[in-house]
Amino acid sequence: EIVLTQSPGTLSLSPGERATLSCRASQSVSSNYLAWYQQKPGQAPWLLIYGASSRATGIPDRFSGSGSGTDFTLTISRLEPEDFAVYYCQQYGSSPLTFGGGTKVEIK
Amino acid sequence: QLQLQESGPGLVKPSETLSLTCTVSGGSLSSSSYYWGWIRQPPGKGLEWIGTIYYSGSTYYNPSLKSRVTISLDASKKQFSLKLSSVTAADTAVYYCARDPGPPYYYFDLWGRGTLVTVSS
Repeated sequence: EIVLTQSPGTLSLSPGERATLSCRASQSVSSNYLAWYQQKPGQAPWLLIYGASSRATGIPDRFSGSGSGTDFTLTISRLEPEDFAVYYCQQYGSSPLTFGGGTKVEIK
Repeated sequence: QLQLQESGPGLVKPSETLSLTCTVSGGSLSSSSYYWGWIRQPPGKGLEWIGTIYYSGSTYYNPSLKSRVTISLDASKKQFSLKLSSVTAADTAVYYCARDPGPPYYYFDLWGRGTLVTVSS
């Protein structure tokens, strides 16, 4: 089973700042099959990125994904008020599908 | 526009079987290449994949839950279902149903709102 470790656990930033979130895998993720989700309190997760770097439909271009192998990054170029949430990575390169523990982006 | 909605009891007794249904509206379970999954999230914690089904009946389960999980699908009712047996307090979670684009892309691009299931006597 691939274990995904997200860091930091919490990121305290101000609107307009850049956010850099990390997701590290315990072994290489096949074909860079890694997705990122955003989750707000009381809501279901929302797909942001798949294939490590492809934005899902309707996702603003301030969200970008990068990385390969075992190290992946989600970058939010300029934080908008609606971006403060918890972010999860998920690998789908091998079974079982696994999620990271999440990074909370909070208002500083 | 396709939507997913979970339904089922919000309270289940320990050792009993949790049963949930996901109803799909605005589309079909069988007329596309999509797969359909269940994911859960204990209160205040992260996400755990439970399993996935294709309309043909093929199923894929998380080995950590496989001995207790059954996922089935009824295309005529536009529903797929989750059964989790011998539940304990550790199974208390929000349960989500979701759509996945199908192989080899097993991520989830559309989710239901989720339903909280509490295991307690």
